[in-house]
Amino acid sequence: NAGVTQTPKFQVLKTGQSMTLQCAQDMNHEYMSWYRQDPGMGLRLIHYSVGAGITDQGEVPNGYNVSRSTTEDFPLRLLSAAPSQTSVYFCASSYSDNSPLHFGNGTRLTVT
Amino acid sequence: GENVEQHPSTLSVQEGDSAVIKCTYSDSASNYFPWYKQELGKRPQLIIDIRSNVGEKKDQRIAVTLNKTAKHFSLHITETQPEDSAVYFCAASSGGYQKVTFGTGTKLQVIP
Repeated sequence: NAGVTQTPKFQVLKTGQSMTLQCAQDMNHEYMSWYRQDPGMGLRLIHYSVGAGITDQGEVPNGYNVSRSTTEDFPLRLLSAAPSQTSVYFCASSYSDNSPLHFGNGTRLTVT
Repeated sequence: GENVEQHPSTLSVQEGDSAVIKCTYSDSASNYFPWYKQELGKRPQLIIDIRSNVGEKKDQRIAVTLNKTAKHFSLHITETQPEDSAVYFCAASSGGYQKVTFGTGTKLQVIP
């Protein structure tokens, strides 16, 4: 039982490049989400999904896309990277809303 | 929307002393209050949570109290140890991912 697995751990992009952050969970959780963590700002929700085929926007969705074709996978796509997207990104899953979040190990992204 | 304020932002205590971190929330509909611990360079992990129908919950050296009338909740760590050094985040949720809001974090340092 690996929990929530994120890849890559580190990534450097140039402004304008695109990439996909991968997230997979093996706990059969319906709820998955992406957060970004910036110094002094806590964790802010980017996008979330309450089940396969269902996604919605969180607090800071601009510049990011998601899809949920399976229960296990929830990739986050950066369409055209900007320096403001330099951050640490965490994927999380949970059994339901109002239940504990299980986080992945994070991806540290730098956009130059 | 929900606003969660967390204080203090940094806290230093001597080993063996107690530490208290306080959070206030604004949405009276919030009914789930988790606390996460994040060690340096690692992912946040749940340490304790409380629901609105309970006023206090304890797990060994960690306790959380909730005052719904005043809209604040607190984390208490007794007999602190060096391994308690980390950043602690509170959160409030009224159900649904779009309503999970994190505090900005408290960096706790336990001095041996």
